[in-house]
Amino acid sequence: AQSVSQHNHHVILSEAASLELGCNYSYGGTVNLFWYVQYPGQHLQLLLKYFSGDPLVKGIKGFEAEFIKSKFSFNLRKPSVQWSDTAEYFCAVAPGGGSYIPTFGRGTSLIVHP
Amino acid sequence: DTEVTQTPKHLVMGMTNKKSLKCEQHMGHRAMYWYKQKAKKPPELMFVYSYEKLSINESVPSRFSPECPNSSLLNLHLHALQPEDSALYLCASSQEGTAYGYTFGSGTRLTVV
Repeated sequence: AQSVSQHNHHVILSEAASLELGCNYSYGGTVNLFWYVQYPGQHLQLLLKYFSGDPLVKGIKGFEAEFIKSKFSFNLRKPSVQWSDTAEYFCAVAPGGGSYIPTFGRGTSLIVHP
Repeated sequence: DTEVTQTPKHLVMGMTNKKSLKCEQHMGHRAMYWYKQKAKKPPELMFVYSYEKLSINESVPSRFSPECPNSSLLNLHLHALQPEDSALYLCASSQEGTAYGYTFGSGTRLTVV
């Protein structure tokens, strides 16, 4: 079974700072990778996903993530955060080509100060 | 707005009550899911329906009973819940067997008193 680690549990930034949230997974086969965001009091929304092709994936709201297969990582980045990016961020991994049930990481709480 | 609609948005129920949560999607997705989420925690998978058949039950207590009347609807029947069952219950749907990711509903905030 796959597992997902998000090492940064709480991140506090000022507006305009750059963001990188770590996500590592353990699974030896082909994977599909996701980042979800949950704004305060709202539902989870898909930020971006990777399942093949260019390992640098661009998502909504200026977010991007890079799949580095050799490091089993899928880190989320944004060059300049805004106050409105304050949210919980969840990385998720699903085996490719088989079960599509993703395993979620425990999440990272991001607070952006104006 | 999400394309997966959940009702009610909030529910308070006693431990002896029977209630139902409802979920509806019209995206033609053939896989639907129930998740439970505690505050600041990741969603925990409860049930998966694939083509209206229960395919995964993650050892959920029998006081939670899912039902999939048709390809667009998913219910979660609740009976004799405990206070520790208080959580956000999320419904999601996805295209079967692909990596498009889930579309989540807004959830039902359940409080058991």
